[in-house]
Amino acid sequence: KAGVTQTPRYLIKTRGQQVTLSCSPISGHRSVSWYQQTPGQGLQFLFEYFSETQRNKGNFPGRFSGRQFSNSRSEMNVSTLELGDSALYLCASSPGITNTEAFFGQGTRLTVV
Amino acid sequence: SQQGEEDPQALSIQEGENATMNCSYKTSINNLQWYRQNSGRGLVHLILIRSNEREKHSGRLRVTLDTSKKSSSLLITASRAADTASYFCATDGTGGFKTIFGAGTRLFVKA
Repeated sequence: KAGVTQTPRYLIKTRGQQVTLSCSPISGHRSVSWYQQTPGQGLQFLFEYFSETQRNKGNFPGRFSGRQFSNSRSEMNVSTLELGDSALYLCASSPGITNTEAFFGQGTRLTVV
Repeated sequence: SQQGEEDPQALSIQEGENATMNCSYKTSINNLQWYRQNSGRGLVHLILIRSNEREKHSGRLRVTLDTSKKSSSLLITASRAADTASYFCATDGTGGFKTIFGAGTRLFVKA
């Protein structure tokens, strides 16, 4: 069974640009969550999707958005990039919503210059 | 705030020693999970303990949960150099969402 796949693995963008990151969950998993990891702030919850609906959102500005498609694949978008958006973005998938183990992808390393 | 506290922030021990790290949280939970992360890569699930459980074992791992104190501890016995990693706890709150706390505990096991 293939694991969680995140693309691209590495990305360099310029301030002010926008970026879209992709996450393909494990087959059959309907829940996808996104996290931002930085050395200073640790792991921060961005959002969680289940069956194409955003169930929860973390404390991030509106520049951060996401969506989930009918095949459970998810994308997150960051507009008007800032230097502080440089981070490792992790996606995790789960079969359901609660009481389930989350399976993480290897992440997308975004560098904003 | 979704942030709790993990203690200690960093831990350095000799191979063969035990390592204990702690996690505190703020909301009522359905379960608590521990994850390991090697060197900026994805997280790997270690163990899940439900809110009605007090202790759970998996190989060299022992997890305890005290819901009255809203805290959990992870004990790694007979540590190995390969245990060097960052360890995070995560909870499924009764609101149904997953939260990962703070910067985790960075464990360094010296051979």
